[in-house]
Amino acid sequence: GENVEQHPSTLSVQEGDSAVIKCTYSDSASNYFPWYKQELGKRPQLIIDIRSNVGEKKDQRIAVTLNKTAKHFSLHITETQPEDSAVYFCAASARGDSSYKLIFGSGTRLLVRP
Amino acid sequence: DAGITQSPRHKVTETGTPVTLRCHQTENHRYMYWYRQDPGHGLRLIHYSYGVKDTDKGEVSDGYSVSRSKTEDFLLTLESATSSQTSVYFCAIRGEDYGYTFGSGTRLTVV
Repeated sequence: GENVEQHPSTLSVQEGDSAVIKCTYSDSASNYFPWYKQELGKRPQLIIDIRSNVGEKKDQRIAVTLNKTAKHFSLHITETQPEDSAVYFCAASARGDSSYKLIFGSGTRLLVRP
Repeated sequence: DAGITQSPRHKVTETGTPVTLRCHQTENHRYMYWYRQDPGHGLRLIHYSYGVKDTDKGEVSDGYSVSRSKTEDFLLTLESATSSQTSVYFCAIRGEDYGYTFGSGTRLTVV
């Protein structure tokens, strides 16, 4: 089955700097890669996703890149702000899997220092 | 709010007792999932459902059972609660665009 590894587990950056979180996956059939943000005590919320027919996707200050050959994908946050502080999870799901279940990475705690 | 609610929000129970958590959706989505969240492990899939009375196991299904008798309700039962099942439990529904919407979670403590 699919296995997703996420690094780093914690990341501290200065406000205004960029942050990068990386994930690798094991199942070459995986083709959907979402990212979720979870603030303290809240539910995870989808912030951006990418499908395997696309190499990069941007939404304002966040972007996701996908390298299918190397089986890894990354989340990039530019011009970080204190409100970006949260736990971020990557996930992967295979099109051929009719359950559409997501396998999640272990999470990255991002701290943006004012 | 997000069309998905979980109950109860918090529960403390004793070892060996059965516990049922409820997930209710108003979106009429076919797919529903139960995850548990523990520090260092992210979100791990317990069970999922792909329709009324259609369910299957996830990564960490031992000690858990589920039922879905109506599209809108997905129940998770801990048959005999153990301390290792102390966790935060999230239910999720899958939208038409593949994205999940999560419920607010249930914090379960087994003493």
